[in-house]
Amino acid sequence: AAGVIQSPRHLIKEKRETATLKCYPIPRHDTVYWYQQGPGQDPQFLISFYEKMQSDKGSIPDRFSAQQFSDYHSELNMSSLELGDSALYFCASRPGTGMINYGYTFGSGTRLTVV
Amino acid sequence: AQSVTQLGSHVSVSEGALVLLRCNYSSSVPPYLFWYVQYPNQGLQLLLKYTTGATLVKGINGFEAEFKKSETSFHLTKPSAHMSDAAEYFCAVSAFSGGYNKLIFGAGTRLAVHP
Repeated sequence: AAGVIQSPRHLIKEKRETATLKCYPIPRHDTVYWYQQGPGQDPQFLISFYEKMQSDKGSIPDRFSAQQFSDYHSELNMSSLELGDSALYFCASRPGTGMINYGYTFGSGTRLTVV
Repeated sequence: AQSVTQLGSHVSVSEGALVLLRCNYSSSVPPYLFWYVQYPNQGLQLLLKYTTGATLVKGINGFEAEFKKSETSFHLTKPSAHMSDAAEYFCAVSAFSGGYNKLIFGAGTRLAVHP
């Protein structure tokens, strides 16, 4: 079965650079979520999209932006990178927006290291 | 607002011993609760979920959890630990706001299994 695909798997950037993370949801999943998991931390919700519109926003820095495209894939753009942005970034997808009765499907994540 | 609290950031058991990972929730509405497992450098995998119906839910790899409304708990158990169970475990609750849903995670419990 198709899963959530994230690219790249690993990314190394220098401070003040820009990074773009991509997420390809499961086919027919129209909702995408982004989470950030710092070292030894729980996943923190960043932002979500439903039908190409932002549906909810969490603790996402102003330096970050994201969007969902017509094919439902999503990109997380991160600018002016800081050392503290080093983390595992997860994308998850699901169909619809109602009560989550089966959990999300997560991708394997993109590990971003800022040096 | 919905939230979950995991008691114990680290749990260590012997191989073959009972595994008990604790999770308490706070929710103003009937909660949907989940347990996820994360192996080193990997994504989040759904272990089991509670939505409605039977309060004892069985998941993959021999894990199960019981929803206890009177105790606002959803503890994860496994009768006999295996070395391969060593991982990080996250309890999560479905949070509903503004017409949209997202998962809120607990801080995680790292399970170590020793011979």
